[in-house]
Amino acid sequence: IAGITQAPTSQILAAGRRMTLRCTQDMRHNAMYWYRQDLGLGLRLIHYSNTAGTTGKGEVPDGYSVSRANTDDFPLTLASAVPSQTSVYFCASSRGGTGELFFGEGSRLTVL
Amino acid sequence: QKEVEQNSGPLSVPEGAIASLNCTYSDRGSQSFFWYRQYSGKSPELIMSIYSNGDKEDGRFTAQLNKASQYVSLLIRDSQPSDSATYLCAVNKNTGFQKLVFGTGTRLLVSP
Repeated sequence: IAGITQAPTSQILAAGRRMTLRCTQDMRHNAMYWYRQDLGLGLRLIHYSNTAGTTGKGEVPDGYSVSRANTDDFPLTLASAVPSQTSVYFCASSRGGTGELFFGEGSRLTVL
Repeated sequence: QKEVEQNSGPLSVPEGAIASLNCTYSDRGSQSFFWYRQYSGKSPELIMSIYSNGDKEDGRFTAQLNKASQYVSLLIRDSQPSDSATYLCAVNKNTGFQKLVFGTGTRLLVSP
């Protein structure tokens, strides 16, 4: 593993299903983030964590939850997916909570 | 008014020219500013950060910040076709832990 790994790369999901997007980093960064990117809307922050054991809400948190049990992992869960959650999801991390983010390769999610 | 505004483009420049990308922000209390580059289908990558008024140079890239006018710009000298990408401006309003607000990006096309 080098940097940030996201899984799955791509997923088609039926509405109403539960889905967890995985994110793992090996840089020992204390801060981690989840963004979604939609055409015309740019990157929007869903949830963040400034250190293991703590999480916070971003700009568009509704319908999503996160956990941060350890430094390396920051999964994003959609409890009951809806079509409006169709998007590309990026996990990111930074050292010391700076704005200098390292991004994963993204997970493309389609909710039908 | 969007918190961070960018012209969506495309901005077309010939190879070897200077590309000038602009970004304005609404919160006068914003503290730090970043430029990310995103190739089509890829994740964003940090290319410049700037924290104080004036210019900051890194190779062919120069970031310019004017807090009084609330704008930040990115100049790319000797533009290359490989610079063709979408450039995202990101702004942080907070001191301490940083949660970035991204603009929607400007698409740059550099023609050979």
